[in-house]
Amino acid sequence: DAKTTQPPSMDCAEGRAANLPCNHSTISGNEYVYWYRQIHSQGPQYIIHGLKNNETNEMASLIITEDRKSSTLILPHATLRDTAVYYCIVRVRNTDKLIFGTGTRLQVFP
Amino acid sequence: GAGVSQSPSNKVTEKGKDVELRCDPISGHTALYWYRQSLGQGLEFLIYFQGNSAPDKSGLPSDRFSAERTGGSVSTLTIQRTQQEDSAVYLCASSVGRGFNEQYFGPGTRLTVT
Repeated sequence: DAKTTQPPSMDCAEGRAANLPCNHSTISGNEYVYWYRQIHSQGPQYIIHGLKNNETNEMASLIITEDRKSSTLILPHATLRDTAVYYCIVRVRNTDKLIFGTGTRLQVFP
Repeated sequence: GAGVSQSPSNKVTEKGKDVELRCDPISGHTALYWYRQSLGQGLEFLIYFQGNSAPDKSGLPSDRFSAERTGGSVSTLTIQRTQQEDSAVYLCASSVGRGFNEQYFGPGTRLTVT
């Protein structure tokens, strides 16, 4: 699986958009970009995934650059409950394990 | 509906003792995964089950670790002769099938080896 690079930490004001970047410059054509988050003392939670098109669901939007070497997870209106570690993972669709990096610790402040 | 459940939520054991950790996946999920997370670290894959068989055991750190799954449902992770470095949160996840979108994680079992 391709290696991902994320900033170790970010801050965001409550109500503002949180934009979390991820670099995956060695991604190959059949690898998807997945995002999970882990709120303190809980198991990870799936957020969203995509291949090359931008994706949106009730939790977030995923913007993937045209060359697929990077992506951004957008939480449009961050709340205090969005404080968590966010993991960007790239993997082949039919592989089974998730390989987690160190993620970005997002702190949402009032 | 019910999510993935794990028991016990916390386990303290003495070095050298055996422990069993249990995972109840979401009903109907055929794929089951074990991960562990040491303090301040990311998640480390241990083993994957499809049904009752384990096609990928590559993450088990030593032969003291084993896991089984029966009836395509409950799974047990066993650690024999526990060591202090085994202290971690052990997380179980399940998904609808192989390679499917989301893995749903349980709350984890916090294992402390004294």
